[in-house]
Formats: sequence, structure tokens, C-alpha cells
Amino acid sequence: DAMVIQNPRYQVTQFGKPVTLSCSQTLNHNVMYWYQQKSSQAPKLLFHYYDKDFNNEADTPDNFQSRRPNTSFCFLDIRSPGLGDAAMYLCATSSYTSGRNNEQFFGPGTRLTVL
Amino acid sequence: QQQVKQSPQSLIVQKGGISIINCAYENTAFDYFPWYQQFPGKGPALLIAIRPDVSEKKEGRFTISFNKSAKQFSLHIMDSQPGDSATYFCAASRADSWGKLQFGAGTQVVVTP
Repeated sequence: DAMVIQNPRYQVTQFGKPVTLSCSQTLNHNVMYWYQQKSSQAPKLLFHYYDKDFNNEADTPDNFQSRRPNTSFCFLDIRSPGLGDAAMYLCATSSYTSGRNNEQFFGPGTRLTVL
Repeated sequence: QQQVKQSPQSLIVQKGGISIINCAYENTAFDYFPWYQQFPGKGPALLIAIRPDVSEKKEGRFTISFNKSAKQFSLHIMDSQPGDSATYFCAASRADSWGKLQFGAGTQVVVTP
């Protein structure tokens, strides 16, 4: 009954080599989020989509981009990964209605290693 | 600037004991306060959540206490079990922010047998 699926679970890339992480959901939620989580830290929001509207956090580096081709899928593109981008990347979804926050469902994450 | 402050950073409790984690916030516009449990190598999972119209919510061994005037909320884990050993994050969000969560720094809980 996987609800938020992330692929791959582990990704190894080379310094500067573009990488794409994918997320899919079976919940039909209107909001999808991408978080970066480094060891022993809280998840840090990179950006989110509300339907097709993209919202970038102010401190998210330009190196990080995202695409949401349809309701179910969302991609995180790292254009030129640096050593500091090694982290767990978490996708989450929620059903948001104006004036009401609901549970965010997280995927299992993709562990990115940069060599 | 961390909008949600969480303490302690780590906690060791004996099996059967009570684990207490505290969080404080400043933004009075926050109106949803979830707690997430995260095991190593896994994504966070919602444990329990509260809205400011109630002062306490209990689900099994987990209880949130909420003090709106003090802008504080806490998680109590009763009868702690070794399987509760995990990192716990408090969070807060505003109704007008597409559900964006402001996380606390996390508390690593270790329950000893």
C-alpha cells in the first residue's frame, strides 16, 4: 500500500554530474514537497507544488530544480551536484485546502551520495 | 531563524518510563502542530497532531499537551518501549502556507531495555 514512492532509494553520482530523483503518489494530493535532510538535522524544505504552481523557498540554491508533469509525479533535478548536496531527499504530499492544513505523508527518501 | 525550538536534543529513558519532548514557537499564526517519528534511513511518519482549539490529545501511549498562551506544546510517550527509539520532530504550520511545515531540530530518543 505504498502511498508516496521515491526512486531510486539510493543514488550515487559524481561531482557535477546532473541527477534526477523521482517521486510518485497514489493519494491524489494537490501539494507535493521536496525536502533535503542531512545527517542529524531536521528536513529542510526546498520547494513545493500546489497543483501546477511552483513555489521555491528563498534559500534554495538555483542548482535545484523541480518538475511536476502531472498530479502523481514530481521530479527533483540537481543540475551540478556538489559534495555538500549529499543528503537524504524526501518527497511528501498533502491534501491542502485554504484555511486547513492536513497531514503530510512522506516517502521513504532517496539517499544521494556525491563522489 | 528557527521558528520552532525543540528540546532536549537527546533523551535516554528506561523501558516503561515516560519520554517528554518540548517545543516552543513564536508565530501565533501557526494553527497546526504535528509530531513526526523517524527511524534511521526512513522518511518521517506522522505520530500525532493537534490544533490550537484543544489543550490535549491522546492516541494510545502518545499524548500532546498544548499551551496556547505560553506558545508551547509537548509530546509525552508513556510506557516507553525499545521500539520507540527514534528521532522525534515537532513541527508547526500556518493555514495560509500550503501546509508548509516548520520543523524543530529533533530529539533522538533511546529507550533502554
